Amino acid sequence: SAVISQKPSRDICQRGTSLTIQCQVDSQVTMMFWYRQQPGQSLTLIATANQGSEATYESGFVIDKFPISRPNLTFSTLTVSNMSPEDSSIYLCSVDPGQGRGGYTFGSGTRLTVV
Amino acid sequence: GENVEQHPSTLSVQEGDSAVIKCTYSDSASNYFPWYKQELGKGPQLIIDIRSNVGEKKDQRIAVTLNKTAKHFSLHITETQPEDSAVYFCAPHGSARQLTFGSGTQLTVLP
Repeated sequence: SAVISQKPSRDICQRGTSLTIQCQVDSQVTMMFWYRQQPGQSLTLIATANQGSEATYESGFVIDKFPISRPNLTFSTLTVSNMSPEDSSIYLCSVDPGQGRGGYTFGSGTRLTVV
Repeated sequence: GENVEQHPSTLSVQEGDSAVIKCTYSDSASNYFPWYKQELGKGPQLIIDIRSNVGEKKDQRIAVTLNKTAKHFSLHITETQPEDSAVYFCAPHGSARQLTFGSGTQLTVLP
């Protein structure tokens, strides 16, 4: 299965600033996903990022707040913009190995605290 | 979209006992049924999965059973050990390719 390197692992940020989270995959994958996991909660999909096209955002998430880049088949970034304390969460990237194999792989997560 | 319900939300068992977690889904087109384990400070990790043409799958101490008619599948862990303590999520694949996660089950194995 794919191996994902996600950075940073954690950060403490001032409100009003932005943080960019990076995910590097050790193989080429078509679909990458970004999730948010609030403390003690399940995972909520933010957006799906395909290389060469605009990311598709889920209800409640907008591009201005969570811009995503997907410059190639092994890399993606998620930016959390104009942060407020409500953005404090764990953010995770995930990849679909493709070809119907299932078994999505996740990064180790970025624990964000906004003060 | 897919509606997913997972029960129980918390489960405590004595070491050596069995644990069962159930997931109910709504999309009759779902054809892939994974279970993920999330340890503290880590991302979810796939531990077992089953496809809709199979009723049961076993891998050492863990097994997954599927009832497509009733639209539910279950995770079974036998001979539980302290390292099994974690949060477990079901994530049935419906018509869309993205995962829809259950609400999670915090499993605690008591020594």
